[in-house]
Amino acid sequence: SYVLTQPPSVAVAPGMSARITCGGHNIGNKVVHWYQQRPGQAPLLVMYYNNGRPSGIPERFSGSNSGNTATLAISGVEAGDEANYYCQVWDTNTDHLLIFGGGTKLTVL
Amino acid sequence: EVHLVESGGQVVQPGGSLRLSCAASGFRFDDVPMHWIRQVPGKGLEWVADVSWDGGTTHYIDSVKGRFTISRDNNDNYLFLQMNSLKTEDTAVYFCAKDYGSGSHSLDSWGQGTLVTVAS
Repeated sequence: SYVLTQPPSVAVAPGMSARITCGGHNIGNKVVHWYQQRPGQAPLLVMYYNNGRPSGIPERFSGSNSGNTATLAISGVEAGDEANYYCQVWDTNTDHLLIFGGGTKLTVL
Repeated sequence: EVHLVESGGQVVQPGGSLRLSCAASGFRFDDVPMHWIRQVPGKGLEWVADVSWDGGTTHYIDSVKGRFTISRDNNDNYLFLQMNSLKTEDTAVYFCAKDYGSGSHSLDSWGQGTLVTVAS
């Protein structure tokens, strides 16, 4: 089945920019969505269709997808951005599976 | 405002059964597919199953095929997950989630989850 690979952790100082990657074979040919999950909370959709921001998501969040890597970028990182982030695709080549990456813990130093 | 509330999670012995429910409100329930996703505490997300807007089409992750059944009641706005022949590896928090629709396969609203513990 299709595999999405994320770094386990990313650390960034407040005010700086964070980039969280999601690797997959020819992922640029797929549509990628991103979720934020704070401790003890349900996941929250923060990016859809590669680079679309749902209502209420700050402009500091942006997304890109090309080749074998999709990226969620967060500029001007704030303490409240500290969370686990998951990428997700729909794998059309197998039995209609939604596949999540393993997640990346963003730590704000 | 979209509201999804799961219920039904509890401790159950291996081989037992459980039915999870998800009460939905704040949107046209019969317009969109719905999903169940699970998460072992401290671990990542795993999609479990989905059901089309009319309940006519369902899909499952391989590890639950033949044991779990997803269904929906569009009259009362409920999503269900019937879980049979439960295994210890089914222990997780189970979330119901709303599909954004339009073939996006993104999950734009989630419930808070219900904990299923399979243990003897």
